[in-house]
Amino acid sequence: GAVVSQHPSWVICKSGTSVKIECRSLDFQATTMFWYRQFPKQSLMLMATSNEGSKATYEQGVEKDKFLINHASLTLSTLTVTSAHPEDSSFYICSARVPGTGGYEQYFGPGTRLTVT
Amino acid sequence: GNSVTQMEGPVTLSEEAFLTINCTYTATGYPSLFWYVQYPGEGLQLLLKATKADDKGSNKGFEATYRKETTSFHLEKGSVQVSDSAVYFCALSRAGSYQLTFGKGTKLSVIP
Repeated sequence: GAVVSQHPSWVICKSGTSVKIECRSLDFQATTMFWYRQFPKQSLMLMATSNEGSKATYEQGVEKDKFLINHASLTLSTLTVTSAHPEDSSFYICSARVPGTGGYEQYFGPGTRLTVT
Repeated sequence: GNSVTQMEGPVTLSEEAFLTINCTYTATGYPSLFWYVQYPGEGLQLLLKATKADDKGSNKGFEATYRKETTSFHLEKGSVQVSDSAVYFCALSRAGSYQLTFGKGTKLSVIP
Protein backbone atom coordinates (compact mmCIF):
# COMPACT_ATOMS: atom_id res chain seq x y z
CA GLY A 1 0.00 0.00 0.00
CA ALA A 2 0.87 3.66 -0.15
CA VAL A 3 3.35 4.64 2.56
CA VAL A 4 4.23 8.13 3.72
CA SER A 5 7.13 8.77 6.07
CA GLN A 6 8.10 11.79 8.09
CA HIS A 7 11.44 12.78 9.52
CA PRO A 8 12.20 13.45 12.26
CA SER A 9 9.53 11.84 14.40
CA TRP A 10 10.28 14.30 17.15
CA VAL A 11 12.48 17.34 17.52
CA ILE A 12 13.34 19.79 20.25
CA CYS A 13 14.71 23.17 19.27
CA LYS A 14 15.50 26.44 20.97
CA SER A 15 13.37 29.52 20.51
CA GLY A 16 14.51 31.58 17.54
CA THR A 17 15.96 28.69 15.57
CA SER A 18 14.51 27.03 12.49
CA VAL A 19 13.61 23.40 12.03
CA LYS A 20 12.87 21.41 8.89
CA ILE A 21 10.44 18.50 8.70
CA GLU A 22 10.49 16.12 5.74
CA CYS A 23 7.56 14.25 4.27
CA ARG A 24 8.23 11.47 1.76
CA SER A 25 6.00 9.23 -0.29
CA LEU A 26 7.91 5.96 -0.34
CA ASP A 27 6.22 3.90 -3.02
CA PHE A 28 4.29 6.35 -5.14
CA GLN A 29 4.62 9.78 -6.67
CA ALA A 30 2.61 12.45 -4.95
CA THR A 31 1.80 15.57 -6.93
CA THR A 32 -0.13 16.95 -3.98
CA MET A 33 0.80 16.83 -0.32
CA PHE A 34 -0.89 18.43 2.64
CA TRP A 35 0.47 19.74 5.92
CA TYR A 36 -1.62 19.65 9.07
CA ARG A 37 -1.15 20.78 12.63
CA GLN A 38 -2.73 18.91 15.52
CA PHE A 39 -3.10 20.28 19.02
CA PRO A 40 -3.75 17.99 21.98
CA LYS A 41 -7.33 16.72 21.98
CA GLN A 42 -8.05 18.82 18.91
CA SER A 43 -8.72 18.13 15.32
CA LEU A 44 -6.18 18.23 12.52
CA MET A 45 -6.05 21.72 11.09
CA LEU A 46 -4.99 22.04 7.47
CA MET A 47 -2.10 24.46 7.17
CA ALA A 48 -1.28 24.33 3.49
CA THR A 49 -1.54 22.39 0.27
CA SER A 50 1.75 21.64 -1.40
CA ASN A 51 1.88 21.02 -5.15
CA GLU A 52 4.99 19.70 -6.80
CA GLY A 53 6.82 22.39 -8.72
CA SER A 54 4.66 25.28 -7.63
CA LYS A 55 4.06 27.48 -4.62
CA ALA A 56 2.11 26.11 -1.70
CA THR A 57 -1.40 27.31 -1.00
CA TYR A 58 -1.78 28.37 2.61
CA GLU A 59 -4.96 28.34 4.65
CA GLN A 60 -6.29 31.54 6.13
CA GLY A 61 -4.41 32.54 9.24
CA VAL A 62 -1.27 30.53 8.48
CA GLU A 63 1.85 32.66 8.13
CA LYS A 64 3.54 31.68 4.90
CA ASP A 65 6.80 33.38 5.88
CA LYS A 66 6.93 31.42 9.09
CA PHE A 67 5.95 28.03 7.73
CA LEU A 68 7.94 27.58 4.55
CA ILE A 69 6.85 24.70 2.35
CA ASN A 70 8.86 23.29 -0.51
CA HIS A 71 7.71 20.47 -2.79
CA ALA A 72 10.70 20.10 -5.06
CA SER A 73 10.11 16.54 -6.18
CA LEU A 74 7.26 14.10 -6.62
CA THR A 75 8.25 12.22 -3.47
CA LEU A 76 9.37 14.94 -1.06
CA SER A 77 7.80 17.93 0.59
CA THR A 78 9.42 19.88 3.41
CA LEU A 79 8.01 22.17 6.07
CA THR A 80 10.42 24.61 7.67
CA VAL A 81 9.33 26.38 10.83
CA THR A 82 11.37 29.57 10.87
CA SER A 83 12.27 31.49 14.01
CA ALA A 84 10.36 29.00 16.10
CA HIS A 85 8.66 30.04 19.32
CA PRO A 86 7.11 27.98 22.11
CA GLU A 87 3.62 28.55 20.67
CA ASP A 88 4.75 26.67 17.55
CA SER A 89 5.12 23.52 19.62
CA SER A 90 2.69 21.04 18.17
CA PHE A 91 2.26 17.80 16.26
CA TYR A 92 2.78 18.30 12.53
CA ILE A 93 1.36 15.76 10.12
CA CYS A 94 1.69 15.47 6.38
CA SER A 95 -0.39 13.52 3.94
CA ALA A 96 -0.13 12.72 0.27
CA ARG A 97 -2.78 12.15 -2.29
CA VAL A 98 -2.38 9.10 -4.47
CA PRO A 99 -3.03 10.25 -8.01
CA GLY A 100 -5.46 8.31 -10.08
CA THR A 101 -7.40 6.82 -7.18
CA GLY A 102 -10.37 9.02 -7.93
CA GLY A 103 -11.58 8.64 -4.39
CA TYR A 104 -9.92 11.65 -2.83
CA GLU A 105 -7.95 9.34 -0.57
CA GLN A 106 -4.97 10.60 1.33
CA TYR A 107 -2.22 8.67 3.07
CA PHE A 108 -0.79 10.12 6.22
CA GLY A 109 2.64 10.21 7.71
CA PRO A 110 3.12 9.26 11.37
CA GLY A 111 3.64 12.87 12.41
CA THR A 112 6.44 14.97 13.90
CA ARG A 113 6.32 16.23 17.46
CA LEU A 114 7.95 19.68 17.66
CA THR A 115 8.85 21.14 21.03
CA VAL A 116 10.28 24.65 21.16
CA THR A 117 12.01 25.56 24.40
CA GLY B 1 -18.01 26.76 5.70
CA ASN B 2 -17.54 23.06 6.10
CA SER B 3 -17.43 21.50 9.54
CA VAL B 4 -17.56 18.10 11.18
CA THR B 5 -18.88 17.39 14.66
CA GLN B 6 -18.28 14.07 16.34
CA MET B 7 -19.07 12.81 19.77
CA GLU B 8 -16.72 13.70 22.57
CA GLY B 9 -14.63 10.96 24.03
CA PRO B 10 -13.08 9.10 25.49
CA VAL B 11 -15.25 6.05 24.99
CA THR B 12 -14.50 2.93 27.00
CA LEU B 13 -16.13 -0.36 26.06
CA SER B 14 -15.75 -3.97 27.05
CA GLU B 15 -14.63 -6.43 24.42
CA GLU B 16 -17.48 -7.63 22.17
CA ALA B 17 -19.64 -4.60 22.97
CA PHE B 18 -21.46 -2.64 20.27
CA LEU B 19 -19.84 0.59 19.14
CA THR B 20 -21.41 3.76 17.80
CA ILE B 21 -19.50 6.97 17.26
CA ASN B 22 -21.74 9.78 16.07
CA CYS B 23 -20.66 12.17 13.33
CA THR B 24 -22.60 14.99 11.74
CA TYR B 25 -21.44 17.45 9.16
CA THR B 26 -22.17 20.81 7.62
CA ALA B 27 -21.23 21.30 3.99
CA THR B 28 -22.54 22.74 0.78
CA GLY B 29 -23.23 20.42 -2.07
CA TYR B 30 -22.41 16.75 -1.87
CA PRO B 31 -19.23 16.07 0.06
CA SER B 32 -17.42 12.78 0.34
CA LEU B 33 -17.29 11.39 3.87
CA PHE B 34 -14.54 9.44 5.58
CA TRP B 35 -13.59 7.74 8.80
CA TYR B 36 -9.89 7.67 9.63
CA VAL B 37 -8.30 5.72 12.49
CA GLN B 38 -5.10 6.57 14.33
CA TYR B 39 -3.52 3.75 16.29
CA PRO B 40 -1.05 4.68 19.04
CA GLY B 41 2.22 5.89 17.55
CA GLU B 42 1.01 5.62 13.96
CA GLY B 43 -0.30 7.91 11.27
CA LEU B 44 -3.93 8.23 10.33
CA GLN B 45 -5.26 5.43 8.15
CA LEU B 46 -8.36 5.51 6.02
CA LEU B 47 -10.90 3.16 7.58
CA LEU B 48 -13.84 3.61 5.23
CA LYS B 49 -15.47 6.14 2.96
CA ALA B 50 -18.70 7.01 1.18
CA THR B 51 -18.97 9.35 -1.76
CA LYS B 52 -22.72 9.79 -2.23
CA ALA B 53 -25.96 9.72 -0.30
CA ASP B 54 -27.09 6.31 1.00
CA ASP B 55 -23.69 4.76 0.29
CA LYS B 56 -22.45 2.45 3.02
CA GLY B 57 -18.74 2.27 3.65
CA SER B 58 -17.40 -0.80 5.39
CA ASN B 59 -14.06 -2.24 6.44
CA LYS B 60 -12.75 -4.51 9.20
CA GLY B 61 -16.26 -4.95 10.61
CA PHE B 62 -16.87 -1.20 10.80
CA GLU B 63 -19.72 0.40 8.88
CA ALA B 64 -21.03 3.90 8.25
CA THR B 65 -23.90 5.06 6.04
CA TYR B 66 -24.00 8.46 4.32
CA ARG B 67 -27.30 9.99 5.45
CA LYS B 68 -27.91 13.24 3.65
CA GLU B 69 -31.31 13.87 5.26
CA THR B 70 -29.73 13.92 8.70
CA THR B 71 -26.26 15.04 7.52
CA SER B 72 -24.74 12.17 9.44
CA PHE B 73 -22.13 9.46 8.99
CA HIS B 74 -22.16 7.47 12.21
CA LEU B 75 -19.53 4.76 12.69
CA GLU B 76 -20.69 1.38 14.00
CA LYS B 77 -19.21 -1.99 14.81
CA GLY B 78 -21.12 -4.90 16.18
CA SER B 79 -18.40 -6.40 18.37
CA VAL B 80 -15.29 -4.45 19.26
CA GLN B 81 -11.92 -5.96 20.07
CA VAL B 82 -9.05 -4.73 22.18
CA SER B 83 -7.13 -4.12 18.97
CA ASP B 84 -9.74 -1.52 17.95
CA SER B 85 -8.47 0.82 20.64
CA ALA B 86 -7.49 3.97 18.77
CA VAL B 87 -8.59 7.49 17.95
CA TYR B 88 -11.27 7.75 15.27
CA PHE B 89 -11.69 10.83 13.08
CA CYS B 90 -14.67 11.68 10.94
CA ALA B 91 -13.82 13.84 7.93
CA LEU B 92 -15.27 15.28 4.76
CA SER B 93 -14.02 16.65 1.50
CA ARG B 94 -16.26 18.91 -0.49
CA ALA B 95 -17.10 18.03 -4.03
CA GLY B 96 -14.23 18.73 -6.39
CA SER B 97 -11.67 19.24 -3.64
CA TYR B 98 -9.05 16.99 -2.09
CA GLN B 99 -8.85 18.99 1.10
CA LEU B 100 -10.13 17.26 4.21
CA THR B 101 -12.01 18.81 7.10
CA PHE B 102 -11.72 16.74 10.28
CA GLY B 103 -13.73 16.34 13.42
CA LYS B 104 -11.91 16.49 16.76
CA GLY B 105 -11.49 12.77 17.05
CA THR B 106 -12.92 10.24 19.48
CA LYS B 107 -10.62 8.08 21.56
CA LEU B 108 -11.85 4.53 21.96
CA SER B 109 -10.49 2.20 24.59
CA VAL B 110 -11.59 -1.43 24.59
CA ILE B 111 -10.92 -3.41 27.74
CA PRO B 112 -10.77 -7.20 27.93
